[in-house]
Amino acid sequence: GQQLNQSPQSMFIQEGEDVSMNCTSSSIFNTWLWYKQDPGEGPVLLIALYKAGELTSNGRLTAQFGITRKDSFLNISASIPSDVGIYFCAGNQGAQKLVFGQGTRLTINP
Amino acid sequence: NAGVTQTPKFQVLKTGQSMTLQCAQDMNHNSMYWYRQDPGMGLRLIYYSASEGTTDKGEVPNGYNVSRLNKREFSLRLESAAPSQTSVYFCASSPTGARGYTFGSGTRLTVV
Repeated sequence: GQQLNQSPQSMFIQEGEDVSMNCTSSSIFNTWLWYKQDPGEGPVLLIALYKAGELTSNGRLTAQFGITRKDSFLNISASIPSDVGIYFCAGNQGAQKLVFGQGTRLTINP
Repeated sequence: NAGVTQTPKFQVLKTGQSMTLQCAQDMNHNSMYWYRQDPGMGLRLIYYSASEGTTDKGEVPNGYNVSRLNKREFSLRLESAAPSQTSVYFCASSPTGARGYTFGSGTRLTVV
């Protein structure tokens, strides 16, 4: 099935650093979403993008819907300990379901 | 503010046993989904129900069955559990497939 290639797979950073991760596909997507999963919990929606070129912020998080509609990125500025977790990108191609990336595991050293 | 409720949270099964994972949502969402999460594999869709009365296979449906009991409830059944089905299972719901899902907190299943 269709897959999203998410990178990096893991990140180890210092508190206060900025973080950048991205998601790419060989196919066009109509919607891009970014989720965060805390340990032992289900993913929670962070940002949803519905138009090519759209740039959306949610606090320290900023995400963009790539102009080609085949990619998206998520930036986190000035990371804090509670940013630790797994971040997933997801995309929709007009069907009734989302396709998810493999996830980026973020670890922060205080 | 319950959202999506999954039961049980943890389960250990012996190979060949059967069980049903329950999921209920109170947001009046039309669509419901079952995913499994394995290390390094992300979230893989098992089955989904776009609306009450319909179900469709996802990426990894083998060994599973589902029932959309009503608009609120969507259950996942393992008829004869296998060790390869050891995973964390997530139920999710959405107003429509194009919008963001709301996930439950998961069921951690171990098959020995």
